[in-house]
Amino acid sequence: AQSVTQLDSQVPVFEEAPVELRCNYSSSVSVYLFWYVQYPNQGLQLLLKYLSGSTLVKGINGFEAEFNKSQTSFHLRKPSVHISDTAEYFCAVELSAGTALIFGKGTTLSVSS
Amino acid sequence: EAGVTQFPSHSVIEKGQTVTLRCDPISGHDNLYWYRRVMGKEIKFLLHFVKESKQDESGMPNNRFLAERTGGTYSTLKVQPAELEDSGVYFCASSPTTGAGYTFGSGTRLTVV
Repeated sequence: AQSVTQLDSQVPVFEEAPVELRCNYSSSVSVYLFWYVQYPNQGLQLLLKYLSGSTLVKGINGFEAEFNKSQTSFHLRKPSVHISDTAEYFCAVELSAGTALIFGKGTTLSVSS
Repeated sequence: EAGVTQFPSHSVIEKGQTVTLRCDPISGHDNLYWYRRVMGKEIKFLLHFVKESKQDESGMPNNRFLAERTGGTYSTLKVQPAELEDSGVYFCASSPTTGAGYTFGSGTRLTVV
């Protein structure tokens, strides 16, 4: 069965430090990959997505992710975080267009000064 | 454009009562999805509408859950009778085409006591 693993449930970092949130997936077929963010008391917001093409995907708020097919990973990175990046981040895969998203359990990023 | 709207934002009901959640997708979006996150767990798919038709309802937990999308516009998700394990956050999402990434609503936090 397909699954998504977010390797860290909580990631505490200091402001202006770089961060990487890790995501691995298991699938025998090509997938679409997404990162969503949920700020406190808000809904899920799409950060970025990989559908095809360049394996380095740039998203909103300075985030980027790299698709690595051989390692079945889609790690999210930001070179310098802000307090406002404190949120829960979800990695998700879509096995084929229009099918259900399969989510990881989420990673809580806590940025402190 | 207006986003995906869900209401109520919070609902507290007693075990055995009925609750109806509503989702208004972005106008013109044919695809509408319901997801649920039980505390501490992953966000899980419930079902997918294409216009007014149920495309995939494989994630519906049991027959106490009934989803409708009359006229292919807004959707309702009724839980009758509610049980304690139904507590969680119910998300709705919509998309114009498949594989495009969804727009999520802010969710309805349901608490069954």
